[in-house]
Amino acid sequence: ETGVTQTPRHLVMGMTNKKSLKCEQHLGHNAMYWYKQSAKKPLELMFVYSLEERVENNSVPSRFSPECPNSSHLFLHLHTLQPEDSALYLCASSRSGTAGETQYFGPGTRLLVL
Amino acid sequence: SQQGEEDPQALSIQEGENATMNCSYKTSINNLQWYRQNSGRGLVHLILIRSNEREKHSGRLRVTLDTSKKSSSLLITASRAADTASYFCATWGSARQLTFGSGTQLTVLP
Repeated sequence: ETGVTQTPRHLVMGMTNKKSLKCEQHLGHNAMYWYKQSAKKPLELMFVYSLEERVENNSVPSRFSPECPNSSHLFLHLHTLQPEDSALYLCASSRSGTAGETQYFGPGTRLLVL
Repeated sequence: SQQGEEDPQALSIQEGENATMNCSYKTSINNLQWYRQNSGRGLVHLILIRSNEREKHSGRLRVTLDTSKKSSSLLITASRAADTASYFCATWGSARQLTFGSGTQLTVLP
């Protein structure tokens, strides 16, 4: 257990559905991250929040919408996704989001878009 | 652009043998980190080495860093079947985000 939990662990959705991924960290960290991991590709950083403010948005399509209501919770809202969005979505947290510190990852949500 | 690149992509060894994985990167870094991922699960941090360090140890892990060659290696000694996983290097530099490589898939046969 890394202190970062993600729900649901598995999700199957159609292209017209709306769903949300949830992440919670119990480590007292101030930065949280969403990553996308596709087969045979490196982890892609999607969003970074530091002290609840979005500080990074790596050209992610608008069908992905993050929300960080407080420093312990992070959501990824999904809307009209494409089959190529099927991947493992990983949430991570770190103490401050700066200085290249260690990141603590959740177990991920395996998403399949039909 | 991709920063870290692991080599080999896949490695299969017998239990008790040592496993060595390499990571090369392109631009200057502040630190380099190694993570491990069991199949379909989250990443677990193994070790962090700063740009002014050359070698670090943690249990059966030994990491080296050669900034002149822009490369790092991860050595796992006396491997066990439970070490079977994917191993990723990640670099932190001027981009101010962790940039991951594609990983090495290690299989340790009992």
